[in-house]
Amino acid sequence: QKEVEQNSGPLSVPEGAIASLNCTYSDRGSQSFFWYRQYSGKSPELIMSIYSNGDKEDGRFTAQLNKASQYVSLLIRDSQPSDSATYLCAVKTGGFKTIFGAGTRLFVKA
Amino acid sequence: NAGVTQTPKFQVLKTGQSMTLQCAQDMNHNSMYWYRQDPGMGLRLIYYSASEGTTDKGEVPNGYNVSRLNKREFSLRLESAAPSQTSVYFCASSGVNRNTEAFFGQGTRLTVV
Repeated sequence: QKEVEQNSGPLSVPEGAIASLNCTYSDRGSQSFFWYRQYSGKSPELIMSIYSNGDKEDGRFTAQLNKASQYVSLLIRDSQPSDSATYLCAVKTGGFKTIFGAGTRLFVKA
Repeated sequence: NAGVTQTPKFQVLKTGQSMTLQCAQDMNHNSMYWYRQDPGMGLRLIYYSASEGTTDKGEVPNGYNVSRLNKREFSLRLESAAPSQTSVYFCASSGVNRNTEAFFGQGTRLTVV
């Protein structure tokens, strides 16, 4: 079992819709959870971080964490074509390692 | 503020050749990482260094060695390159606290022929 699992997609949504991205992790001791966005040929860049159970909102982005279910999600409201990218879920373990999922490719159709 | 700087950006090697990828960060971060990224595989951790003087294996360490030269620099060495090591390599760094994210270099595209 991979430590961090994501559906590879692609996920295709129309412009203006809500995109929902999901991630599960295996290490119950994990403390910090991150969502990165990566455009083709570029480096990953952080868009959201979350550390406590519940929701965290930042503009059009909402991260959700459920430690009991070992589940993290990212919602993108009012999706725009510029949101088309690969979204990487990352988990920082107690041993300072940051492990990434394989990423979900998102396409937002104009 | 340069952040994380990797060199080179592109490299072509012949099978069996050796090379070192260099990485330096100017954010005073304790932790540094080397990842490789292959299509459909996401970022896979090769080695990491939680602090100066320590290094640990990640998910895919075979065929690689690392050196944490000082707090700023973390290098990745391929002693005898193989075609399976063709990939994009990213160096990253982060603070020691749990809530600090990783910052990435611009990546090195390595092709082994």
